[in-house]
Amino acid sequence: SAVISQKPSRDICQRGTSLTIQCQVDSQVTMMFWYRQQPGQSLTLIATANQGSEATYESGFVIDKFPISRPNLTFSTLTVSNMSPEDSSIYLCSVVAPGSEAFFGQGTRLTVV
Amino acid sequence: GESVGLHLPTLSVQEGDNSIINCAYSNSASDYFIWYKQESGKGPQFIIDIRSNMDKRQGQRVTVLLNKTVKHLSLQIAATQPGDSAVYFCAENTDNNAGNMLTFGGGTRLMVKP
Repeated sequence: SAVISQKPSRDICQRGTSLTIQCQVDSQVTMMFWYRQQPGQSLTLIATANQGSEATYESGFVIDKFPISRPNLTFSTLTVSNMSPEDSSIYLCSVVAPGSEAFFGQGTRLTVV
Repeated sequence: GESVGLHLPTLSVQEGDNSIINCAYSNSASDYFIWYKQESGKGPQFIIDIRSNMDKRQGQRVTVLLNKTVKHLSLQIAATQPGDSAVYFCAENTDNNAGNMLTFGGGTRLMVKP
């Protein structure tokens, strides 16, 4: 199993600003995943973050809006840039062992006002 | 603040009854399926998984059934308890160019009445 620490757990931000979410894993993992969960919705994958290479973004998500860092095998950040109220969501980081379950952080509940 | 599951389909059951939550998946190439439970204010938690070479798997009070013919997955919870109240998501694990990724179903909110 993996223990994932994510912070902040929640934040209220002004539109036009940016927020960086941190994700720390207690073991080395090759890939980390960032998801968005809009109110009342399921999880949608934003991007896959590999250490030492640029993140791979899913359709509808771009690097300028959601820049990701992956400086080592236990840590990643997701930045939500130039925020608008539509970015209000829960953001979750996750790690997956090949062909196995995913482990999730507690999530960051973001409200943009 | 807002809660997860406000607009999701809801299954309401009496405490002690059995619950069945259904999920349709999309990719016939998916080879691994997982059920997650998400309580308010928390990230999804693993419940049970099943690989595509099986059609049934049992855990403690939970059973997952897989029907590959119709691409259908179900989660059965025996003797449902108030602590089972949560949103339940199925997920399919499909290889993509970046490696294994999970695609989540829409979710079902389970409410257990005492």
